[in-house]
Amino acid sequence: SYVLTQPPSVSVAPGQTARITCGGDKIRSKSVHWYQQKPGQAPVLVVYDDGDRPSGVPERFSGSSSGNTATLIISRVEDGDEADYYCQVWDSGSDPYVFGTGTKVTVL
Amino acid sequence: QVQLHESGPGLVRPSETLSLTCTVSGDSITTYYWNWIRQPAGKGLEWIGRMYSTGTTDYSPSLQSRVSMSLDTSKKQFSLRLSSVTAADTAVYYCARGPSALFDHWGQGTLVTVSS
Repeated sequence: SYVLTQPPSVSVAPGQTARITCGGDKIRSKSVHWYQQKPGQAPVLVVYDDGDRPSGVPERFSGSSSGNTATLIISRVEDGDEADYYCQVWDSGSDPYVFGTGTKVTVL
Repeated sequence: QVQLHESGPGLVRPSETLSLTCTVSGDSITTYYWNWIRQPAGKGLEWIGRMYSTGTTDYSPSLQSRVSMSLDTSKKQFSLRLSSVTAADTAVYYCARGPSALFDHWGQGTLVTVSS
């Protein structure tokens, strides 16, 4: 089955840019979606189809994908961005919905 | 505004069947896929399965032998049954709406503990 790998943690100072990577074989050929999950809450879709934002998500959230790595970019990081972030793709294999291992973003 | 709400027992005995219901408001249940996803404490997200209003279902291969789903369009509810549960099935269970390849609306989640 398809595997998505994320760094366990990323630390960033307020006002700086956080980059969260998601590695997968030829991931550029797939649509990557990103979810933000704050403690005790359900995940929220923040980026879909590599780099599009749902209505209501700040423009500070963006995404890109190239080769074997997709990246969620959070610009001008705020305290409220502290959360776990998961990437996700749809795979044509037997287990179609694949989540990444998750990255905890800490705002210093 | 689409809202999803999970309900069901918070405690299930080992070897018994876990049953949860998701109630949908603010949207028609006859479009989109309706999914169940779970998350053990401190761990990542695991997709369990999905159902479409036509009755089509898809389940995770790792759970397929123990999972079934159903949908009641008149009540705008869809349900999950997971049989022969063990402690490894203890998790927060989420229902989520899926426009095909992603999940755009989630319920708040419900904790299910498997214990005697």
